[in-house]
Formats: sequence, structure tokens, C-alpha cells
Amino acid sequence: NAGVTQTPKFRVLKTGQSMTLLCAQDMNHEYMYWYRQDPGMGLRLIHYSVGEGTTAKGEVPDGYNVSRLKKQNFLLGLESAAPSQTSVYFCASSYGDRGGTEAFFGQGTRLTVV
Amino acid sequence: KQEVTQIPAALSVPEGENLVLNCSFTDSAIYNLQWFRQDPGKGLTSLLLIQSSQREQTNGRLNASLDKSSGRSTLYIAASQPGDSATYLCALGGGGADGLTFGKGTHLIIQP
Repeated sequence: NAGVTQTPKFRVLKTGQSMTLLCAQDMNHEYMYWYRQDPGMGLRLIHYSVGEGTTAKGEVPDGYNVSRLKKQNFLLGLESAAPSQTSVYFCASSYGDRGGTEAFFGQGTRLTVV
Repeated sequence: KQEVTQIPAALSVPEGENLVLNCSFTDSAIYNLQWFRQDPGKGLTSLLLIQSSQREQTNGRLNASLDKSSGRSTLYIAASQPGDSATYLCALGGGGADGLTFGKGTHLIIQP
């Protein structure tokens, strides 16, 4: 059981370049999330999805887009990367968003924008 | 807006000690509280999940408690080992926020 898998694990981008981060989960979870982790800031929610074909903005959505075309996949896109987007990105999934619904996280993608 | 504070920010103790990590939050209308462990350069590993109706959960040497009325949770680690060295994160579901709201973590070092 792979759980939550993120690709790639590391990436260096030049300012203005674009890229897509892929998150895949094999637990049949409805909810999927993208967070970023920055020193001194903790983890902050970028976007999330409550089911296939749905997306919603989190706390820090600017500069990012997401898509959930298949239930098991949640894509995070950067259209024009900026140095401020240098961060570690984590994907998570859960069955629901309340009660006894445990969240499971991927191993992270370390992105550097130069 | 839900705010989560973890104290202390860093802790270094000798092996074998029992220790307590603290997490406080401002909005008690939460669905659940989850404690995670994060090793350097790695992802988050879920340790314990406490539902809003529960008071505590245990997982081996770990015990987490939840007091919604006072806005506090504690993670108790018994008989600490060097392998327990990591950053411990407290995260809350609900409280007026989408997804999980995280504290900034406690960086724990267990000295051999």
C-alpha cells in the first residue's frame, strides 16, 4: 500500500518557468490537499479538493492552480514561478474532513526557484 | 482564525526521560486533533488522532490528551529514546478553517 505519493521529490526552476507537481493516493480518499512548509511559518494550506472534479482555495492560493480530474490524483501547477514559491510542498489526503478522519501525507517536494 | 501554538519550540533531554509537549489553540470548535512526527527532510507521519468527542488516545509509549474547554492538548512520551528525535507537529481540523491548521512544531532531541 503506497499511500500518498508525490512526484517529483526535488526540482529547481528558473523564475518565470512553469511546472506541475503530481500527487497520487491509493486509499480511495475523497479529500486531497496541497500545503507548503516554510521555515518559521509552519504548514499552510494552498488548495484542496473535496472530490473528483472539485477544487477550492486555501489560505495561500495566489500563484498556484490545481486540478482533480481523477479521484486518485491532485495536481498543483505553477504557471510562472517566483522565488517566493521556494518551499517544500506536501500533498495530503483523507476520507473526509471531520470526526475520525485521519490525514495522510506524502514525502514532500522540495522546490527551489532561482 | 484558528491559531495553534506549540511550546516549547525546542527541547533537548537525556535518554530515558518522560516528557510532555504542549499544543494550545484558540477556537474550540474543532473536529479532531492530530499529532505528527517529521524527520529532517521527510514527510509527516501520523502518530495519534483524537476526535473532538474523545479525551485521549494512546499509541505505545505515546499518549495524547485533548481538553477542548481550555484549548489544550498534550503529547506525553514515556521512556524517551534517541530514535524519538524529530519535530512534532500538532494540527487541528475544524475551528473555522479548511483542512488542518498546524502549529510550528517542537524540535525534540533525545541525547544518548
